[in-house]
Amino acid sequence: EAGVAQSPRYKIIEKRQSVAFWCNPISGHATLYWYQQILGQGPKLLIQFQNNGVVDDSQLPKDRFSAERLKGVDSTLKIQPAKLEDSAVYLCASSLGPHSNYGYTFGSGTRLTVV
Amino acid sequence: AQSVAQPEDQVNVAEGNPLTVKCTYSVSGNPYLFWYVQYPNRGLQFLLKYITGDNLVKGSYGFEAEFNKSQTSFHLKKPSALVSDSALYFCAVRDGGNNDMRFGAGTRLTVKP
Repeated sequence: EAGVAQSPRYKIIEKRQSVAFWCNPISGHATLYWYQQILGQGPKLLIQFQNNGVVDDSQLPKDRFSAERLKGVDSTLKIQPAKLEDSAVYLCASSLGPHSNYGYTFGSGTRLTVV
Repeated sequence: AQSVAQPEDQVNVAEGNPLTVKCTYSVSGNPYLFWYVQYPNRGLQFLLKYITGDNLVKGSYGFEAEFNKSQTSFHLKKPSALVSDSALYFCAVRDGGNNDMRFGAGTRLTVKP
């Protein structure tokens, strides 16, 4: 099966600019996650979707970050305006469902550098 | 809330020797435990998980992990390390009743020829 696709692989922007990341999960995976991985740290969950609805966005900085999954398939994550501390790898993952025994499949990530 | 600790930032072993990467956890309910590996410029790859049952879990690439409830640990092990095992390893936990998977900070494993 095809994996989780993410684009772009790399992005460099200046602070206060906006940026968007795209994710296409594995076909049939109802649950989609966006994680932020800052260098030297483990991934941190930003938002979780079940189909096209938000399950958990408690750690999403909503003043600058937004995400959508309008048709319950692919998803976009946006940052506007970006700050220097947003430099990180943004990982998308998907799973068959939200229950705890389902494993996640991760994409290769988008490495964002804010200068 | 659930949490994971990986006490070692770096683990160095010689090729052919056994390796252990340590992980301890804290949850309020039943722990669902996972190990992932990350190679440079790649996403996280699933290695193994413990949900219930046998405390010794076998996973991909010859790795295994032992669940120890009394010590709240889930250490990753391999009997004979390969140079190609060199990567970043993450332990993660989900509380049985909670959807949020929490990751440790990661342990960089270096296997020297």
